[in-house]
Amino acid sequence: ETGVTQTPRHLVMGMTNKKSLKCEQHLGHNAMYWYKQSAKKPLELMFVYNFKEQTENNSVPSRFSPECPNSSHLFLHLHTLQPEDSALYLCASSQPTGLNTGELFFGEGSRLTVL
Amino acid sequence: AQSVTQLGSHVSVSEGALVLLRCNYSSSVPPYLFWYVQYPNQGLQLLLKYTTGATLVKGINGFEAEFKKSETSFHLTKPSAHMSDAAEYFCAVGGRGAQKLVFGQGTRLTINP
Repeated sequence: ETGVTQTPRHLVMGMTNKKSLKCEQHLGHNAMYWYKQSAKKPLELMFVYNFKEQTENNSVPSRFSPECPNSSHLFLHLHTLQPEDSALYLCASSQPTGLNTGELFFGEGSRLTVL
Repeated sequence: AQSVTQLGSHVSVSEGALVLLRCNYSSSVPPYLFWYVQYPNQGLQLLLKYTTGATLVKGINGFEAEFKKSETSFHLTKPSAHMSDAAEYFCAVGGRGAQKLVFGQGTRLTINP
């Protein structure tokens, strides 16, 4: 099992669709993250969860809805997205924030295209 | 507060030449510093990190970086570039008790044959 697994790797959706991205980590970590990576833009931190509790939301539009049912799984629910939401969505995990070096372990990403 | 500046969004070197990717940071606490590499359509992979101790840090694939506190720098080097080194490289800063890593904007490395 790889450390952090993201599914699907590629997703194409219309603006009225509802879909979800899934992330699973097998590293025993307790912190999980969603990042957005758009072309020619820096990495954008979207959400942080520590021990299943959301600890950071960087003013992300409500059309992105995260869910963290346990420390190993993280979802990003998508609805009524816009074409500018097309990007690579990266999931990462780490030991709890504030208690470690901060090293992040990334999944391979989910490439989202919104038509 | 923390921040990272990567000098040069695009660096191009010849195969076999020295690779030097520059990173300067700002941190109000003793920094933890990281270099990540991202190959096309993949996630970020840790190349190396500095937390404490020896300031010259060796990583995977022949890369190394040196923490210079006086210059607030953590430049990444490799003596001889290989075609497989073509990728995007990200410098990041954290610190003991920091809530998250702060990433630079990335440097795209191109290797010319």
